[in-house]
Amino acid sequence: GEDVEQSLFLSVREGDSSVINCTYTDSSSTYLYWYKQEPGAGLQLLTYIFSNMDMKQDQRLTVLLNKKDKHLSLRIADTQTGDSAIYFCAEVLLPPSNTGKLIFGQGTTLQVKP
Amino acid sequence: KAGVTQTPRYLIKTRGQQVTLSCSPISGHRSVSWYQQTPGQGLQFLFEYFSETQRNKGNFPGRFSGRQFSNSRSEMNVSTLELGDSALYLCASSLVPGTPYGYTFGSGTRLTVV
Repeated sequence: GEDVEQSLFLSVREGDSSVINCTYTDSSSTYLYWYKQEPGAGLQLLTYIFSNMDMKQDQRLTVLLNKKDKHLSLRIADTQTGDSAIYFCAEVLLPPSNTGKLIFGQGTTLQVKP
Repeated sequence: KAGVTQTPRYLIKTRGQQVTLSCSPISGHRSVSWYQQTPGQGLQFLFEYFSETQRNKGNFPGRFSGRQFSNSRSEMNVSTLELGDSALYLCASSLVPGTPYGYTFGSGTRLTVV
């Protein structure tokens, strides 16, 4: 089945690291994405990881993928107040069902306190 | 280059009316997909178009329809509006679905049904 789950809320202090977790159920996923949504805005692609990778680092962002447990995490180092937003993980399925359908988690609201 | 453009940004309609939302994808992107975002249901896939053909459809009633034109611009239509159709409608375009390029989202159309 298709299901992606995330914790709903995370609060951190400015300068700390944030870790947002996500679990997915479809073992045939190809790419897993992290999107950020700020108030009143659309979704901004932050980073992605291919399902045959374990880790990907992109500046302050580190994505870890545990395929055995179907667990994905996004670590934001040195979290800033500008990182306050809702973060969505999403998976897309393998061809031939690869028709642009993203399955999203519920979103994690990240609150960064000064 | 220009991003994904959705018009209008805000819309207020009365129950029973119909509405048409527009999405212009990034130049060169032939895949356009639509999502509905509500606080209760999160982000739900509506449908995806590629080269004027609907390739995938989500679990929404027939009141929700869409189309894509030869220039890749897409419209979605909701007929006989219900209060529960109030949502943020997001459009995403992709060069090649299911790849690292991901999906670029527009800022959305906020539809309020009264």
